[in-house]
Amino acid sequence: EIVMTQSPATLSVSPGERATLSCRASQSVSSNLAWYQQKPGQAPRLLIYGASTRATGIPARFSGSGSGTEFTLTISSLQSEDFAVYYCQQYNNWPPSYTFGQGTKLEIK
Amino acid sequence: QVTLKESGPVLVKPTETLTLTCTVSGFSLSNARMGVSWIRQPPGKALEWLAHIFSNDEKSYSTSLKSRLTISKDTSKSQVVLTMTNMDPVDTATYYCARMYYYDSSGYSYPLAYFQHWGQGTLVTVSS
Repeated sequence: EIVMTQSPATLSVSPGERATLSCRASQSVSSNLAWYQQKPGQAPRLLIYGASTRATGIPARFSGSGSGTEFTLTISSLQSEDFAVYYCQQYNNWPPSYTFGQGTKLEIK
Repeated sequence: QVTLKESGPVLVKPTETLTLTCTVSGFSLSNARMGVSWIRQPPGKALEWLAHIFSNDEKSYSTSLKSRLTISKDTSKSQVVLTMTNMDPVDTATYYCARMYYYDSSGYSYPLAYFQHWGQGTLVTVSS
């Protein structure tokens, strides 16, 4: 099983600043990685797929990068609605065996 | 508009079997390259993928839970059903169903897929 490790567990950032979240895979997943945002009491929402492609309706301040085993989600100029938990997820295998990271909580500084 | 809605018991007893239903709308389960997964999330914890069913009825399961899970679909009812046997308090979680989006990528002989649309989730508590 591919293990996904996110860091840091909690990130404190002030509104208007940049946030950088990391995700590492235990083996290469190429660019087959997605990022999700989850707010309290809500289902996750797809942000990024293919490591760097924004999903429909996702603001341009969200960007993803990386390939292989190292990935980054960057949120430029944080807005109040961006404070949430973010998960990375790999989808490199068939038959499917999807795995998520443990999440990074982005909180207001 | 794509929607998914989970339904099932709020409370189950240890050792019982859980049956959850995901009712979808806005798309057909009989379409080619259509699939649905189940994912769960214990309170305050991370997401965990459980099972996936593809349009050709191919099924996949989490390695750690495979012996306890069964996924099936009823295309005529637009429903995907997940059963989990021998429930334990550690299985207390919010259970989500999600529609997959598949795409092709060079170098891969199989489709790649991520969770495009999610249901609202249903909280299941396991307690005697």
